[in-house]
Amino acid sequence: SQKIEQNSEALNIQEGKTATLTCNYTNYSPAYLQWYRQDPGRGPVFLLLIRENEKEKRKERLKVTFDTTLKQSLFHITASQPADSATYLCALAGAGNMLTFGGGTRLMVKP
Amino acid sequence: GAVVSQHPSWVICKSGTSVKIECRSLDFQATTMFWYRQFPKQSLMLMATSNEGSKATYEQGVEKDKFLINHASLTLSTLTVTSAHPEDSSFYICSARDRKLAEGEQFFGPGTRLTVL
Repeated sequence: SQKIEQNSEALNIQEGKTATLTCNYTNYSPAYLQWYRQDPGRGPVFLLLIRENEKEKRKERLKVTFDTTLKQSLFHITASQPADSATYLCALAGAGNMLTFGGGTRLMVKP
Repeated sequence: GAVVSQHPSWVICKSGTSVKIECRSLDFQATTMFWYRQFPKQSLMLMATSNEGSKATYEQGVEKDKFLINHASLTLSTLTVTSAHPEDSSFYICSARDRKLAEGEQFFGPGTRLTVL
């Protein structure tokens, strides 16, 4: 069966460090993959989209990699700030551009 | 960026009553809107895909007669939870895709917290 796995344990890092979050998937061949940020009690906010033929995508302090051989995407936040604390969701696009979400990883950046 | 609104943001109702949640795309036209449900500390689970002018497509395990979806215009979709029960208490989130884009991001609403007593 199709599965998307994100580390369910919270990631705690110190301000200024680089946060790296992992998204692994099985039995999928997504056309593209997206990363979203979700704050408590709020809807997700789109961050980045990376297509299957792209290895890396950057936006300001964010970087996403996509390895279709390993079936893995890594999401990096450089020079992390306490304001980056949130839950980060990866989502894979399937047929009809429908998204399937991973369970999310909660990031806590300590000052 | 594109904005999606939801109304109400929260609602408390008695068991057995029906609740309607509205999802609006404010500055773009959305041919397709999606309805998700999220339980505490869990991820978003797609309930149904709503296409303007046609019947919604429901995911496996989602009762179409309980969760009525109407997508009457390119900017409005509604989800009605009929005969709500406490187990329907959840965070309901809609999203919309801009009809001008072939693929890409979904714009999410702020969510509606439903509590059924």
